[in-house]
Amino acid sequence: QKEVEQDPGPLSVPEGAIVSLNCTYSNSAFQYFMWYRQYSRKGPELLMYTYSSGNKEDGRFTAQVDKSSKYISLFIRDSQPSDSATYLCAMSPTSGTYKYIFGTGTRLKVLA
Amino acid sequence: GAGVSQSPSNKVTEKGKDVELRCDPISGHTALYWYRQSLGQGLEFLIYFQGNSAPDKSGLPSDRFSAERTGGSVSTLTIQRTQQEDSAVYLCASSLVRGTDTQYFGPGTRLTVL
Repeated sequence: QKEVEQDPGPLSVPEGAIVSLNCTYSNSAFQYFMWYRQYSRKGPELLMYTYSSGNKEDGRFTAQVDKSSKYISLFIRDSQPSDSATYLCAMSPTSGTYKYIFGTGTRLKVLA
Repeated sequence: GAGVSQSPSNKVTEKGKDVELRCDPISGHTALYWYRQSLGQGLEFLIYFQGNSAPDKSGLPSDRFSAERTGGSVSTLTIQRTQQEDSAVYLCASSLVRGTDTQYFGPGTRLTVL
């Protein structure tokens, strides 16, 4: 079993839909959680990060962490075709380490 | 300013050949990382450089893999005697100072071993 599990998709939604992307993990020591967006043939770019449990909002994006269930989510409101990309979750035991454990990524397609 | 650049963008090689992949980090960034992204796999950490400190090589999958960073800037990842399972996208990232700072990724080098 992988430490971080992520549905590879693809996930296709119509423009304007609310998108929910999720990761589950097995290591209860994880405290620092990140979401990256990767466009085709590009490197990943950091979208959001959260520390421990709770929600964090940034524009149309909301990151949510449920440590009791070992489950993290990224919600995208009013999705746009430009949101079409692969979304990777990443996590680590603390914010003080660079050795992140990445999910395999979920490919999202937002249809115009 | 310019982001992280990598070259070549694509590399096709024959099994058994050696390859060199290059990374130019963002100017002023002291930390540099190499990752491997295989189909259906998450990003796999390979190696981390921080300034003049000894690199963390704990992620290198075998002794066929090596990396160096000259002058605290450009880095080269070398794979000797390539195997088909080395086919992947090799990503480089840099961050400003510490390993905990935001990592900025390059576009990657897509390596295909025939």
